[in-house]
Amino acid sequence: GQQLNQSPQSMFIQEGEDVSMNCTSSSIFNTWLWYKQEPGEGPVLLIALYKAGELTSNGRLTAQFGITRKDSFLNISASIPSDVGIYFCAGRNNNAGNMLTFGGGTRLMVKP
Amino acid sequence: DSGVTQTPKHLITATGQRVTLRCSPRSGDLSVYWYQQSLDQGLQFLIQYYNGEERAKGNILERFSAQQFPDLHSELNLSSLELGDSALYFCASSGSGEQYFGPGTRLTVT
Repeated sequence: GQQLNQSPQSMFIQEGEDVSMNCTSSSIFNTWLWYKQEPGEGPVLLIALYKAGELTSNGRLTAQFGITRKDSFLNISASIPSDVGIYFCAGRNNNAGNMLTFGGGTRLMVKP
Repeated sequence: DSGVTQTPKHLITATGQRVTLRCSPRSGDLSVYWYQQSLDQGLQFLIQYYNGEERAKGNILERFSAQQFPDLHSELNLSSLELGDSALYFCASSGSGEQYFGPGTRLTVT
């Protein structure tokens, strides 16, 4: 089946630093999504990307849908302590219904 | 708050037992999805229902089954439980847009 490789697995950064994480796939996706999960909670949708090459921002977050449709990245600028959590990429292939395939997650830790 | 509710929040049971997890989707959402999150497998899609009908199936074991009722709430039934079934189980719902996740049910099988 489809696999999403997400990297890095974890990051420990200083408050104020920028963060970058990415996902690559062995096959094409029509939609890329980025979710954030905090302890004891379900994943929360951050950004949705629907078109190859698309660059979308949500506050300090910026995500891009790769031209090949096999990758996506998420940047967080000027990190703050509340950015702590696990960030997941997810891909959807419209030929496979609405199911999401998730990456393994990037655990972000921010030092004040 | 995503608007998706799941009960119970925690469940502890013994091997061989059967449990039922419940999900209420966001108001107006016709689709419900079930996912399993474990340390070794990550977030895995199990099954999707749309307006009471099964729409898509993922890596769902034969010991697991689900259904969606006329009021659109859904239940995930897990039977003959094994230690390896211990995980977080998430329900998500969607209308015409993206999926919104509930807070999950943490299942511990002892």
